[in-house]
Amino acid sequence: DAGITQSPRHKVTETGTPVTLRCHQTENHRYMYWYRQDPGHGLRLIHYSYGVKDTDKGEVSDGYSVSRSKTEDFLLTLESATSSQTSVYFCAISEMSTGGIMGYGYTFGSGTRLTVV
Amino acid sequence: AQTVTQSQPEMSVQEAETVTLSCTYDTSENNYYLFWYKQPPSRQMILVIRQEAYKQQNATENRFSVNFQKAAKSFSLKISDSQLGDTAMYFCAFMVNNNDMRFGAGTRLTVKP
Repeated sequence: DAGITQSPRHKVTETGTPVTLRCHQTENHRYMYWYRQDPGHGLRLIHYSYGVKDTDKGEVSDGYSVSRSKTEDFLLTLESATSSQTSVYFCAISEMSTGGIMGYGYTFGSGTRLTVV
Repeated sequence: AQTVTQSQPEMSVQEAETVTLSCTYDTSENNYYLFWYKQPPSRQMILVIRQEAYKQQNATENRFSVNFQKAAKSFSLKISDSQLGDTAMYFCAFMVNNNDMRFGAGTRLTVKP
């Protein structure tokens, strides 16, 4: 499996403060994703990236921004954290065949539990 | 919009027995991919099984198999010979292109000794 790590694993922050979550991969995959997990909603896509400096919005992007300056790193930033952003955040990378054929599913990091108080 | 529905928030099964988790989805696309992910208490998301919509044959991975009914837009997961380690949240997921994997709300499965 591809190496994918998220940091931090847990974080508590105050309302109104900026927060950055980091995702790092070691396998040079092109596609990277940020999801949030909430009870009753499963996982919902926040933003994704299809290459260095190439990003796009997902289903629940309001209040979040992302950056990808290197292939291996994908950062998620909450500019001004709110209590509604308390969640578990997952980073994922796309497993694709050598020919670039999709459909092999995603590999996920271990998640970051963020609490906004 | 693509949606995924898991109608069973919680289920339980006795060890060594068989259990089936339900999943339905809604799409107008003809080519897509379906997945079941397992999330144990460790929080790690683990791919259990995948199915390509253009393949008629149901996917199987050891004790895990699916019943894929394309016309009914149904994708259920069967776990045979349930083990205590199967206790987890199970998510059904649907993907048309590489940029939008949609998940159901999940089913919490408890395997009882």
